[in-house]
Amino acid sequence: EAQVTQNPRYLITVTGKKLTVTCSQNMNHEYMSWYRQDPGLGLRQIYYSMNVEVTDKGDVPEGYKVSRKEKRNFPLILESPSPNQTSLYFCASSRGSSNQPQHFGDGTRLSIL
Amino acid sequence: AQKVTQAQTEISVVEKEDVTLDCVYETRDTTYYLFWYKQPPSGELVFLIRRNSFDEQNEISGRYSWNFQKSTSSFNFTITASQVVDSAVYFCALSEAPGTYKYIFGTGTRLKVLA
Repeated sequence: EAQVTQNPRYLITVTGKKLTVTCSQNMNHEYMSWYRQDPGLGLRQIYYSMNVEVTDKGDVPEGYKVSRKEKRNFPLILESPSPNQTSLYFCASSRGSSNQPQHFGDGTRLSIL
Repeated sequence: AQKVTQAQTEISVVEKEDVTLDCVYETRDTTYYLFWYKQPPSGELVFLIRRNSFDEQNEISGRYSWNFQKSTSSFNFTITASQVVDSAVYFCALSEAPGTYKYIFGTGTRLKVLA
């Protein structure tokens, strides 16, 4: 089954404790992206990757890091999480570039106390 | 700068009513792509439709239809004879020509269909 898998689905943690949200896709997609969803703000793009070892900033990259060492994986790293990063996070992938429909993971709800 | 505006934050309709969700976009590019996604109460995001800037034909899929008008920079979504299962948050999104790779979502419209 074609899917984008995010882990964990839920996480409650404390300020400053480094965390990683994993994202993996089994569709051999070139393009992967991370979004955060906040009430009243819709989805905002954090980082995206056009292929292995190629990443770039979206609209809200501050406080986040990503890497793309393998085509299927695109982890999101919060080196020193803060309460304003409490949000619902989605990973997505698509063929080619951003002009293709994106397949989304089920989301990761992060709460940073 | 690119921008997507969904001015309707929340709409409530009674089952079987028709409803239109508005989407207005801004872009400097002549080549761009517009999308609609649905987020039901279960939370997942589901792709509904993609339209490129050179294709102004309206699209109909069952009870769903989309009206793309470049003259008004709008890409509106109509649900005919709404059903309770249509209750969801609907997002409009814009992607500019290949090479930018950015994806801009609107803030979403929450549709509540009452039985």
